[in-house]
Amino acid sequence: DVKVTQSSRYLVKRTGEKVFLECVQDMDHENMFWYRQDPGLGLRLIYFSYDVKMKEKGDIPEGYSVSREKKERFSLILESASTNQTSMYLCASSLGPPEAFFGQGTRLTVV
Amino acid sequence: GQNIDQPTEMTATEGAIVQINCTYQTSGFNGLFWYQQHAGEAPTFLSYNVLDGLEEKGRFSSFLSRSKGYSYLLLKELQMKDSASYLCAVRDPGGSQGNLIFGKGTKLSVKP
Repeated sequence: DVKVTQSSRYLVKRTGEKVFLECVQDMDHENMFWYRQDPGLGLRLIYFSYDVKMKEKGDIPEGYSVSREKKERFSLILESASTNQTSMYLCASSLGPPEAFFGQGTRLTVV
Repeated sequence: GQNIDQPTEMTATEGAIVQINCTYQTSGFNGLFWYQQHAGEAPTFLSYNVLDGLEEKGRFSSFLSRSKGYSYLLLKELQMKDSASYLCAVRDPGGSQGNLIFGKGTKLSVKP
């Protein structure tokens, strides 16, 4: 079974802190994605990567950056956390259609 | 741009059949996906349609009409465990392979 593992299920951080969310997949997938999910807004794409050291902006990249130094690991970075970044963050990986495999999610609260 | 619409909430009875509709407006199209997401859990893949017609997989079926920009997910013999959100997603032809644009999801409640 494909496994996508996110480093934390729940995280509480203070405003202004630098926050790292880590995601690791074990299936040698080229494509990895970071989404955030908010009530009434659904899943929105923040950044994605189709290869090591490659990254593309999604729909809502402001306030975020990413790092993909190794194929299996895709990190989301909040440079200076703000309360409006309180959300559920979901990482996904895929080889291409039809499936994308999701991690369990990190519920981040910024206080 | 991309726009994907689906109902916010639906309620159905255990043992019944329910149809969840999804309409989309996109500049191109490379496939439509349905995901199931239980509360507090990650989305899991249910189905994929790239050609018109019906794809059946056990109690779940998904239909696509590309000319109408329309899909539905059909759930038969509903069980309590089918209570979840169902996400419709379209593959963005302008992006990288596998880049999905999601609708806001339909929360399905199955009642005894």
